[in-house]
Amino acid sequence: KQEVTQIPAALSVPEGENLVLNCSFTDSAIYNLQWFRQDPGKGLTSLLLIQSSQREQTSGRLNASLDKSSGRSTLYIAASQPGDSATYLCAVWTASKLTFGTGTRLQVTL
Amino acid sequence: DTAVSQTPKYLVTQMGNDKSIKCEQNLGHDTMYWYKQDSKKFLKIMFSYNNKELIINETVPNRFSPKSPDKAHLNLHINSLELGDSAVYFCASSAPRGYTFGSGTRLTVV
Repeated sequence: KQEVTQIPAALSVPEGENLVLNCSFTDSAIYNLQWFRQDPGKGLTSLLLIQSSQREQTSGRLNASLDKSSGRSTLYIAASQPGDSATYLCAVWTASKLTFGTGTRLQVTL
Repeated sequence: DTAVSQTPKYLVTQMGNDKSIKCEQNLGHDTMYWYKQDSKKFLKIMFSYNNKELIINETVPNRFSPKSPDKAHLNLHINSLELGDSAVYFCASSAPRGYTFGSGTRLTVV
């Protein structure tokens, strides 16, 4: 059974800092890995999708990496801004479904 | 145009009632899902449909019955609502390029 863990559970950083969110999964037989953000009371917004054959993906200030063999992914956020405050969710694709991590709640302070 | 839309956004109802949540996607995806986000914000799959056929039923009580009249729609009907059904329910669809989620339906059973 696939289990996905995210560390840390919560993080508070001052504006402008670079930060890394961690995701680990127990079964390396994955199809893809997708990072989402969720604002309070809102739905999920897709940030980055990494296919199993890829090592990383970049979008603007975001960079996600994937190491299937070790069961790890990281989301790097450069030059954080208060608008980045949200919960970040890592989700692992198998052939039939997404398995979500427990989330990292990020707060970027002025 | 909203890619995955679900209605209603909020639903407050009494125990024992029957209610439905509707979901429609205009992305042309073949696969649709229902996910449940509990009070601890953990997201877990409930059902998966591919081209109107049930693929996954993740040990959900049979009071929950999904219905897919066509591949663009996946509705969720819940009978005899219980207090523990209170949660946010997300509809989603997927293609190789990623999952897209609706904005959620917050169900409160009183």
